[in-house]
Amino acid sequence: AQSVSQHNHHVILSEAASLELGCNYSYGGTVNLFWYVQYPGQHLQLLLKYFSGDPLVKGIKGFEAEFIKSKFSFNLRKPSVQWSDTAEYFCAVNALRAAGNKLTFGGGTRVLVKP
Amino acid sequence: EAGVAQSPRYKIIEKRQSVAFWCNPISGHATLYWYQQILGQGPKLLIQFQNNGVVDDSQLPKDRFSAERLKGVDSTLKIQPAKLEDSAVYLCASRLPGQGEETQYFGPGTRLLVL
Repeated sequence: AQSVSQHNHHVILSEAASLELGCNYSYGGTVNLFWYVQYPGQHLQLLLKYFSGDPLVKGIKGFEAEFIKSKFSFNLRKPSVQWSDTAEYFCAVNALRAAGNKLTFGGGTRVLVKP
Repeated sequence: EAGVAQSPRYKIIEKRQSVAFWCNPISGHATLYWYQQILGQGPKLLIQFQNNGVVDDSQLPKDRFSAERLKGVDSTLKIQPAKLEDSAVYLCASRLPGQGEETQYFGPGTRLLVL
């Protein structure tokens, strides 16, 4: 079965700092990859997605993620964070043709951006 | 459009008691999911419905958890009897049939505390 691991449980940084959140997955086949975000008091929502093609994908609010197939990684980045980026971020994998074909989430990373 | 509705938003019960959660998906969304999100972890799929039929309940602890979607719209998730380790946020999500897993819309969740 596929699994997803996120390296950091908590990240604290100041505004304008750069952010990188690590995500690794275990599944040898074809995958679709996602990052979700949950702002305080809000619903879980999709931030960006990778299906195929250019391994560098851009999402909303200046976020981007890079798929490195050889490393089974899909790290999230933002060059300059804002206070409003304070949220919990979840990496998720959809292992195509795997049993169940469901979304498998990582444990999440809580990001606190200090103003 | 209205989002996924869940109730109650919070519930506190004692162990061995029973509890039920309700979900009203977005109109027209034939596919409905229940997830369990334990503190510090990502959402874990419990059960997936397509209309009123179960697509995947492989991770549902069937000795104490049950779910139904009798008319293919609203759904209820029940725990009977509850254990301390059931303390979690229970998320409902829905999507249109035939769309990708990433198109799920998530509800606000029901936060359960078992004492």
